[in-house]
Amino acid sequence: GAVVSQHPSWVICKSGTSVKIECRSLDFQATTMFWYRQFPKQSLMLMATSNEGSKATYEQGVEKDKFLINHASLTLSTLTVTSAHPEDSSFYICSAPLAGISYNEQFFGPGTRLTVL
Amino acid sequence: KQEVTQIPAALSVPEGENLVLNCSFTDSAIYNLQWFRQDPGKGLTSLLLIQSSQREQTSGRLNASLDKSSGRSTLYIAASQPGDSATYLCAVRPSDYKLSFGAGTTVTVRA
Repeated sequence: GAVVSQHPSWVICKSGTSVKIECRSLDFQATTMFWYRQFPKQSLMLMATSNEGSKATYEQGVEKDKFLINHASLTLSTLTVTSAHPEDSSFYICSAPLAGISYNEQFFGPGTRLTVL
Repeated sequence: KQEVTQIPAALSVPEGENLVLNCSFTDSAIYNLQWFRQDPGKGLTSLLLIQSSQREQTSGRLNASLDKSSGRSTLYIAASQPGDSATYLCAVRPSDYKLSFGAGTTVTVRA
């Protein structure tokens, strides 16, 4: 299957700082990527859709100025959590759909654990 | 809005027993349904993808069925092993790419 990587795998930061998380498709191109967050013992909640060459689209209730998304190339999307606060502590996961004969199966990155002190 | 429900929330079985995990969704207008496995603190591993036109998919000890009209999918895991212990998530996809996830079933297989 296709491989999606994330970096870093975990990060601890002080309140008020900004954190950037990278999502890369390693062996395929992805014009679209998705960003999710997952709180402990809960399911994944879609935050935004990252589109290569255009602005991201955010789900209702997600602050676009707080969660900045940049889809710089066909293999890289970044999520920047600006002025992070403890309530932003969560597990962030990205995914990318694989187009073509595999019927757009989605492949997920390993996730990034963010802890804001 | 699509609602995805997974029952039970947790399941504990002895090794060797067959597992049956249920997923239901409210809007039958789906493009496909995907089952994932998630280990603690890890990302998601895709297990099976069922297109809306398909009734089931099989991979090794895993079999997933889909009844789109009734909004149900079932994941069967035969002859469970301790290594099958994980959280299993189902996700449905409408016409766009966005997936709606269930809350998952956490499985513990006792040796």
